[in-house]
Amino acid sequence: QKEVEQNSGPLSVPEGAIASLNCTYSDRGSQSFFWYRQYSGKSPELIMFIYSNGDKEDGRFTAQLNKASQYVSLLIRDSQPSDSATYLCAVSWGGKLIFGQGTELSVKP
Amino acid sequence: NAGVTQTPKFQVLKTGQSMTLQCAQDMNHNSMYWYRQDPGMGLRLIYYSASEGTTDKGEVPNGYNVSRLNKREFSLRLESAAPSQTSVYFCASSEAPGSPLHFGNGTRLTVT
Repeated sequence: QKEVEQNSGPLSVPEGAIASLNCTYSDRGSQSFFWYRQYSGKSPELIMFIYSNGDKEDGRFTAQLNKASQYVSLLIRDSQPSDSATYLCAVSWGGKLIFGQGTELSVKP
Repeated sequence: NAGVTQTPKFQVLKTGQSMTLQCAQDMNHNSMYWYRQDPGMGLRLIYYSASEGTTDKGEVPNGYNVSRLNKREFSLRLESAAPSQTSVYFCASSEAPGSPLHFGNGTRLTVT
């Protein structure tokens, strides 16, 4: 059974700070890694994804991969109250996306 | 620009009743998926269809069946609903297996 693990939180950060979200995965062969944001009562929406060959930055968001330790992180710079949501990590395995349980982020004004 | 459309949005069933959740996508995607989401459990894959004409079991397939009707449509059937199937169900599609998912708005199902 392939596993993706996240700390369920809640993670609380002050407005303007950097929020760091982490995700560990069990399958060394995984090639693609995804971060989704889900507001309460809504469907998940893709923030960004990376392949095993490198990190990616998109605006205030940076996704980083540590293959040796089998974890992927999402950094949110200059956090805003509108970033308060649950963040879901997903890992591609056998053509399917397997999700972690999500981390709840709360950004306090 | 509808994307992924799920029907119904809400449903209440009694134990033992059956129903079909419908999903359609207009993005010409090859792959489609059904997930369920329970509090504290994240999204768990029920069934998926890598391409038209194929279906495979995911992490939690027991109690469900699926049909890939054509490239656009992928339905999920509960033959005999149980309270343990109370959940929010999301349909998703992607261009290819393992590529980013686009989600529908979800179906909130309650089984009493």
